[in-house]
Amino acid sequence: NAGVTQTPKFRVLKTGQSMTLLCAQDMNHEYMYWYRQDPGMGLRLIHYSVGEGTTAKGEVPDGYNVSRLKKQNFLLGLESAAPSQTSVYFCASSYSGTSGGDTQYFGPGTRLTVL
Amino acid sequence: AQKVTQAQTEISVVEKEDVTLDCVYETRDTTYYLFWYKQPPSGELVFLIRRNSFDEQNEISGRYSWNFQKSTSSFNFTITASQVVDSAVYFCALSDVDSGGGADGLTFGKGTHLIIQP
Repeated sequence: NAGVTQTPKFRVLKTGQSMTLLCAQDMNHEYMYWYRQDPGMGLRLIHYSVGEGTTAKGEVPDGYNVSRLKKQNFLLGLESAAPSQTSVYFCASSYSGTSGGDTQYFGPGTRLTVL
Repeated sequence: AQKVTQAQTEISVVEKEDVTLDCVYETRDTTYYLFWYKQPPSGELVFLIRRNSFDEQNEISGRYSWNFQKSTSSFNFTITASQVVDSAVYFCALSDVDSGGGADGLTFGKGTHLIIQP
């Protein structure tokens, strides 16, 4: 099992460009999450999904869109990148909801720089 | 709203010393879950432990131990006889039934950077 994988690992964008980050999990988890990690800030939840075809906003959703067309994949999109979106992005998944105590397992992260 | 505070931004100790990482949380719920994750220099997040609010027993796993005290809203992490490989950023996280007004994710502390010097 690969667990949670993220593509790409690194990316540099110019302001205004768009891109999509792909997260895939092979653990048959229902829930998937996108976080961003900024220096000295810990991780903050961007969007999450409680199942195929569903998405919901987290703490910092502005400037991002997500889609969950297949259970195993969770895509994070930036339509018009801004320097403030320079960050490390982590995807995570869990079998059931974290509010029920289930553990989230994280991917290796994507380092995004917006110039 | 829930909150996790890791007041120690950075700790530096010499190898073989014991070290305790502090975590203080805030939540209005009686049912909640606490987690610790490790982020080594390679960058991935590694799950260490999960504890629910009804289980106040301390946990020991090898050189790692966790002290959960509801009376002080703390979930501290101790590494005994530290090793260089323990150098990492450690995050404490909280999940409760009413996370962030419906958001079903973890609330993380800002992390403690632990440096173990040889």
